[in-house]
Amino acid sequence: EDQVTQSPEALRLQEGESSSLNCSYTVSGLRGLFWYRQDPGKGPEFLFTLYSAGEEKEKERLKATLTKKESFLHITAPKPEDSATYLCAVQARINQAGTALIFGKGTTLSVSS
Amino acid sequence: NAGVTQTPKFQVLKTGQSMTLQCAQDMNHNSMYWYRQDPGMGLRLIYYSASEGTTDKGEVPNGYNVSRLNKREFSLRLESAAPSQTSVYFCASSESGKNTEAFFGQGTRLTVV
Repeated sequence: EDQVTQSPEALRLQEGESSSLNCSYTVSGLRGLFWYRQDPGKGPEFLFTLYSAGEEKEKERLKATLTKKESFLHITAPKPEDSATYLCAVQARINQAGTALIFGKGTTLSVSS
Repeated sequence: NAGVTQTPKFQVLKTGQSMTLQCAQDMNHNSMYWYRQDPGMGLRLIYYSASEGTTDKGEVPNGYNVSRLNKREFSLRLESAAPSQTSVYFCASSESGKNTEAFFGQGTRLTVV
């Protein structure tokens, strides 16, 4: 069964204090691992897609990496505006008709000044 | 560009009432999805449509029906609402094929009393 597990559930950082969020996954044939950001009361907003082990992508203070079993979202020198829930998902085959994203429960990040 | 538009944004129903959540996308995507998001449960797939004219069950389809009206629109119907269906509902769309991110609407917050 395809599964995504994120840790920690919640993370509190001081402004400038770098850290990492973890996403471990089991999927039969990885078609893509996705990171999203979700602000309160809003829909998830796409950040990155990673396709193969060893791949890395960066956007401002965020860097996503991928191994064969997990992905990390590294946050360097975070600012209060980085506070949000970060969601990890894998693209899984639902049936012969197609695929859909299977999500983890998310990590809620709070950055204080 | 509107992206994915959901209506209504908020709704309160009494147990046993019915309603339809509307979703429309203007990105010419083939695939559309309905998810629900509950505290501690993450995003769970209710139904999806790989292309116009097809629909398939996701992880939690019981109590729901869907209609892919045309390529742009994908509606979710609750025939007899129950308090367990209190949730935030998100519609999403994506290109067909693998390795394609999904774009989400802003959500419908539904309360069943």
